[in-house]
Amino acid sequence: ETGVTQSPTHLIKTRGQQVTLRCSSQSGHNTVSWYQQALGQGPQFIFQYYREEENGRGNFPPRFSGLQFPNYSSELNVNALELDDSALYLCASSWDRSNYEQYFGPGTRLTVT
Amino acid sequence: SQQGEEDPQALSIQEGENATMNCSYKTSINNLQWYRQNSGRGLVHLILIRSNEREKHSGRLRVTLDTSKKSSSLLITASRAADTASYFCATDASTNAGKSTFGDGTTLTVKP
Repeated sequence: ETGVTQSPTHLIKTRGQQVTLRCSSQSGHNTVSWYQQALGQGPQFIFQYYREEENGRGNFPPRFSGLQFPNYSSELNVNALELDDSALYLCASSWDRSNYEQYFGPGTRLTVT
Repeated sequence: SQQGEEDPQALSIQEGENATMNCSYKTSINNLQWYRQNSGRGLVHLILIRSNEREKHSGRLRVTLDTSKKSSSLLITASRAADTASYFCATDASTNAGKSTFGDGTTLTVKP
């Protein structure tokens, strides 16, 4: 157990809808990263938040957005869902943005129909 | 596109045998990490090796890093059925802590 939790576990949405995924980091971890993992592939970096501000983004469009809160929780929001957004979404926390060891949550499986 | 490529894509062995997985990457790195993932769930961090290290051990795991060849290997000795999982390498550039670039993984099956 990494101490990182995510909700919900599974989610089914329709194309064009919006979705919010939640992550609760380990206590004291001020950095959270979000990854998208398509079936049969490795995770791809979406973005990172450090002390409630975005600290780097991967190759994902602006309809992927996030928030980080002072209580070590964070959100990933995806607008205008597309079929290709179907994936496992993972959050990972670390105690600082300079620290390379990340603690991953169990993920949220999103299916877009 | 992914930075790393794992080889082989799938590996099936008997319990007690050793399993070796390889990872190649394209750009210079600060460190390389190996993760395990069971049944499409969260990733478990196994080991981190820095770019100035050549070999690292943790229990039954042995990781090597050859920066001149931009490659790494993960050896699991005396494998167990519980080692059945997907294994991923992830690379980090010097300014990108927590923004890892993953390969597509090796799926290891250990038969009892």
